[in-house]
Amino acid sequence: GQQLNQSPQSMFIQEGEDVSMNCTSSSIFNTWLWYKQDPGEGPVLLIALYKAGELTSNGRLTAQFGITRKDSFLNISASIPSDVGIYFCAGQLYGNQFYFGTGTSLTVIP
Amino acid sequence: DTEVTQTPKHLVMGMTNKKSLKCEQHMGHRAMYWYKQKAKKPPELMFVYSYEKLSINESVPSRFSPECPNSSLLNLHLHALQPEDSALYLCASSQDPGQGTNIQYFGAGTRLSVL
Repeated sequence: GQQLNQSPQSMFIQEGEDVSMNCTSSSIFNTWLWYKQDPGEGPVLLIALYKAGELTSNGRLTAQFGITRKDSFLNISASIPSDVGIYFCAGQLYGNQFYFGTGTSLTVIP
Repeated sequence: DTEVTQTPKHLVMGMTNKKSLKCEQHMGHRAMYWYKQKAKKPPELMFVYSYEKLSINESVPSRFSPECPNSSLLNLHLHALQPEDSALYLCASSQDPGQGTNIQYFGAGTRLSVL
């Protein structure tokens, strides 16, 4: 199936720094989703975006639905150790068709 | 409540065993999914059920057999698995499959080891 291009693949940052990651596709999506996954656990939904240009925040997290509907980005401000994990974007085409990004592995150094 | 419950959390089985993974949601969602995930990779879609009917089978080997007894339950029956089938198996659900916009919620997964 289709896979979305997610970058960067991994990040090593100091605690307190801001983080930015993005996801791009050749297809237009109806919904963009951002998940965080801890080792051995299932992905947990962080933010859902429904409209082109939409900017949504959830605490220290901010995500945007790209104006072309082919991309999305996620920012994390003032990172803390518990932000460690793998972040996945997912695009929903229509109905029950979801496509996942390749993941961004985040390491926060105290 | 956005909970998808999977059991068991961990499963170890031999190549000749038969076992089942279970998934349950009470959000009224009408689409349910099975994914297989290897370490540090994105989830790979295996099966999709829409309105309790199998709508997508991503060419999964027949040693994996899904079942959707009702709109809240999803099972994955396992038989004669291979060591390379060891992975995290994730269940997910989403709302009305016919909707234009949709959100998918995941369970915590079953860590399967095939010996």
